[in-house]
Amino acid sequence: NAGVTQTPKFRVLKTGQSMTLLCAQDMNHEYMYWYRQDPGMGLRLIHYSVGEGTTAKGEVPDGYNVSRLKKQNFLLGLESAAPSQTSVYFCASGQGVVNQPQHFGDGTRLSIL
Amino acid sequence: KNEVEQSPQNLTAQEGEFITINCSYSVGISALHWLQQHPGGGIVSLFMLSSGKKKHGRLIATINIQEKHSSLHITASHPRDSAVYICAVTGNQFYFGTGTSLTVIP
Repeated sequence: NAGVTQTPKFRVLKTGQSMTLLCAQDMNHEYMYWYRQDPGMGLRLIHYSVGEGTTAKGEVPDGYNVSRLKKQNFLLGLESAAPSQTSVYFCASGQGVVNQPQHFGDGTRLSIL
Repeated sequence: KNEVEQSPQNLTAQEGEFITINCSYSVGISALHWLQQHPGGGIVSLFMLSSGKKKHGRLIATINIQEKHSSLHITASHPRDSAVYICAVTGNQFYFGTGTSLTVIP
């Protein structure tokens, strides 16, 4: 079982470049999430999806876009990368919010110069 | 304002010691989660609990709903327990603590 797979694992971008992070889960989960983790701060929710074709904003959505065209995939896009978006990005999936654990990917370390 | 507060932020212990990590929260919750994050690695869910106590091997998690407090205990700590332990709560969304970095010295 692969669980939650994130690609790529590492990436360095220049300011203004664009890129897409891919998250894939094989557990048939309805809910998927994108978080960023920064030193001294807890995980912060960027965007989430409660099912195929749906997306919603989280706590820190500015500068990011997402798409959930297929149930198993959740894409996070940076249209014009900024140094403030340097972070470790985690994808997670779960059956729901209430009383359901989340399953996390291994993270993507993104540096923007 | 952080909805979830953990203490201590950093903890160093000798192998074999009994360890306690604390979590306090300020929102109404349906469940509380303890997560483990190894250096450079992903995040793994250890426990999910909404009342009482759960035990898995050398790890014990307790929660007091009235006091809005949870503890994670590690008995007979081992260097492989070195990791960041994160407390998270679910109400209408997930709220995460900033984590407790644990180092167990042989």
